[in-house]
Formats: sequence, C-alpha cells, structure tokens
Amino acid sequence: DIQLTQSPSFLSASVGDRVTITCRASQGISNFLAWYQQEAGKAPKVLISAASTLQSGVPSRFSGSGSGTEFTLTISSLQPEDFATYYCQQLSSYPFTFGGGTKVEI
Amino acid sequence: EGQLVVSGGGLVKPGGSLRLSCAASGFAFNTYNMHWVRQAPGKGLEWVSSISSSSSYIYYADSVKGRFTISRDNARKSIHLEMNSLKADDTAVYYCARQRILITSGGLRIEPVFDYWGQGTLVAVSS
Repeated sequence: DIQLTQSPSFLSASVGDRVTITCRASQGISNFLAWYQQEAGKAPKVLISAASTLQSGVPSRFSGSGSGTEFTLTISSLQPEDFATYYCQQLSSYPFTFGGGTKVEI
Repeated sequence: EGQLVVSGGGLVKPGGSLRLSCAASGFAFNTYNMHWVRQAPGKGLEWVSSISSSSSYIYYADSVKGRFTISRDNARKSIHLEMNSLKADDTAVYYCARQRILITSGGLRIEPVFDYWGQGTLVAVSS
C-alpha cells in the first residue's frame, strides 16, 4: 500500500500568511494526487486534482505542485474561511489512501 | 449539479450489522465509480471501499475486508454498504463519494479525484 505523510499536522497562522503543506508518498504516484479541504462537521471539498489542477470555484490563492513522491499545497494569502483541515489523497492505486491531515489554526 | 444523500447510520452493538445507503441525483449515476470513506471521531479520512460503474470491480480496505460488502443499484441510483461483525473501531462518520469522469473525444476518462461527497452518516458501535 502507498503511504502518504503530510506535514505539518498542525499549523498556526494568521490572516494574510503564506502557508505551505507537504504530502510525501511512499512510492511514485505520478500526478495522481488530490487535495481536499474539510471544515468542522462537514464533508470534504476538493480543491486540487491531478496534483496541480485548481477546481472550478476554488479561489486562485490555492495552488498545488509536485509529481512523483513530493507534493505541496500552497495558500498564498490565508483568509478567515481557510481555517480548516486539509488532506491529500493518492489515487494511483488501491487502496486510495489519504494523508493524516493538516489542521490550519489561528 | 450532482447530489449524494447518505442514510442508514445509527447505534449498534459490537458484532451487530448495519446497512448504509447513498442515493444519487442530478447526474448519470451508472457512469461513475463510487466510493465509501469514513472518519472516526477526531481522526482523519480513511478510504473504505470502491465499486466500479458496472459493479465489475470492487475493492476494500484491509480493515473491513470480509466484514463489509459494497453494492450498487444503477436503476435506483444508489450504492450500499452492508456492514457485519461491527467493532468499536468501525465507529465513524461514513461518507459516500463520486469519482469524476471527463467526456473526451476518445470516450470517458476516469479522473483521479472524488468530486462529490455525501453529507455523511454516523455509525456508532457500542454496547
């Protein structure tokens, strides 16, 4: 099984900060990686697919990059509505594993 | 716009059974691979099971293999998760999710992303 290691697990930041979250895969997954945002008590919402493709309706302050085993999600200027938990997911092979999550807090 | 509505959660004793359902609307359900994902209280997301559009391909996480069964009814636009021999570790909110498909000049392409999620239903396993 492919393991995804997200870092950091917790991130304390302020409005306007640039934030970067890293997701490392235990083996190469090309660009078969998605990023999700989950607000407390809600279902996840997709932000990025194929490692770097911004989903329709997602603000341009979100961006994704990487290929192979190392990926990043960047929020260029953190907004109040961005305080949430972020997950990466690999869809290269079953089981479709998720990273452990990164909680972005004030 | 697509919508997924999950139902069937509740409180069940260890060793018991429960059947979850996910009703789809607003899209061509029989074209899409569908998935179950769960989240234990205060924990991260865990992929549970997947079923292809025609039910030809089915996958399970090791943690549920042999105890859970995924199925779908394309006529009724729904998927189900039959959960048996439930354990306390199965306590979680269970989400269903759709895997995106793109229509290309070469046909349908399954995309590596879950683009629609149901609202989730809580399964609590406790005596």
